[in-house]
Amino acid sequence: GAGVSQSPSNKVTEKGKDVELRCDPISGHTALYWYRQSLGQGLEFLIYFQGNSAPDKSGLPSDRFSAERTGGSVSTLTIQRTQQEDSAVYLCASSLGVLGEETQYFGPGTRLLVL
Amino acid sequence: AQTVTQSQPEMSVQEAETVTLSCTYDTSESDYYLFWYKQPPSRQMILVIRQEAYKQQNATENRFSVNFQKAAKSFSLKISDSQLGDAAMYFCAYPSITQGGSEKLVFGKGTKLTVNP
Repeated sequence: GAGVSQSPSNKVTEKGKDVELRCDPISGHTALYWYRQSLGQGLEFLIYFQGNSAPDKSGLPSDRFSAERTGGSVSTLTIQRTQQEDSAVYLCASSLGVLGEETQYFGPGTRLLVL
Repeated sequence: AQTVTQSQPEMSVQEAETVTLSCTYDTSESDYYLFWYKQPPSRQMILVIRQEAYKQQNATENRFSVNFQKAAKSFSLKISDSQLGDAAMYFCAYPSITQGGSEKLVFGKGTKLTVNP
């Protein structure tokens, strides 16, 4: 079946604009993660969805960041009033269940550039 | 805080040779998983190999193997018979608990591997 897909692949926006990044996980995967990868850095956890449970938002860097997951499938990460420091690659990942026992599959990411 | 450290920002290897990428981590857990991910220029993170801490035997996947030293909290990746397609960023990762009580992967900063023909 298809892997994790993300859109857009690249996004250039102006400072102060809002952006929406989309993630379509592997069908049947209940766990969905968003990570941020800044230049030259590893991945930074942002938010975690598990089934229909309330998301774990503990990694979101500010209240300008929000995410939702509709119907337990597609997820959208929204960044409001973008800042230059938001420029990064945003990666989505999904898995069947418990981290470690189940492999986490990543999408190709969205590269965001805020001018 | 639980951390993952990759001390080699860049490594290079000749095609067909062997290279070892190092990783150390910090945890108080006794049973856990460790991962190596590969990120080629396409950006997609690909799982290379996984090690279960309670298993003494080092994991092996074809040309990729690990040297897992639990007491030293060391988890190095060995790539044998290096190929041009192995050129990528390699990240060591470890599951950790978020402030919200769920699990996440904690990644090192990565090692950029260049394979020279």
